[in-house]
Amino acid sequence: GDSVTQMEGPVTLSEEAFLTINCTYTATGYPSLFWYVQYPGEGLQLLLKATKADDKGSNKGFEATYRKETTSFHLEKGSVQVSDSAVYFCALSAATGGYNKLIFGAGTRLAVHP
Amino acid sequence: DTGVSQDPRHKITKRGQNVTFRCDPISEHNRLYWYRQTLGQGPEFLTYFQNEAQLEKSRLLSDRFSAERPKGSFSTLEIQRTEQGDSAMYLCASSPEAGSYGYTFGSGTRLTVV
Repeated sequence: GDSVTQMEGPVTLSEEAFLTINCTYTATGYPSLFWYVQYPGEGLQLLLKATKADDKGSNKGFEATYRKETTSFHLEKGSVQVSDSAVYFCALSAATGGYNKLIFGAGTRLAVHP
Repeated sequence: DTGVSQDPRHKITKRGQNVTFRCDPISEHNRLYWYRQTLGQGPEFLTYFQNEAQLEKSRLLSDRFSAERPKGSFSTLEIQRTEQGDSAMYLCASSPEAGSYGYTFGSGTRLTVV
């Protein structure tokens, strides 16, 4: 079945460091791909999305490119801030589910220190 | 519009009791979703509605769980005869249409069964 695999956390970085969080997926057809962020005590917020191969989603300095050949959607940011500390979830919306549900990875916790 | 609202934010109940949660979606969204998130895991799909029709239910949704959306607006999720394994964050989300645009999530209801 459809699935999402994320790198395990926690990821601990110093402020202004470069961030990569790996995400790979398994799905039939052509899923849409998402990154959600969950700050402490809050619900999930959509960070960025890509709906077809080679699309690049971007928001708040974060970027991810839909790579069909490697079935990946890695999240990157050139210079992290303390305020980026949160849990990041990669997700897909698949044709097999009629695009009616999201399948999430387990999440990657990011801790950024001053 | 204030986004997706969930009530209560926290619920502590004794094993065997019934609980009910409420979700108010974004008013113009006709799709509403329920997810469950356990500690250290990504959200898992439970069920979704298009308007008042419940169109899909996960196998995670045992017979003790029931969800309704009587007038196509707010939704309720009831758990009967709660068990300790039901302890989780219950998330509601809404969207204007299927998958590719992503969802807007509420802040969730954290259930603790003691």
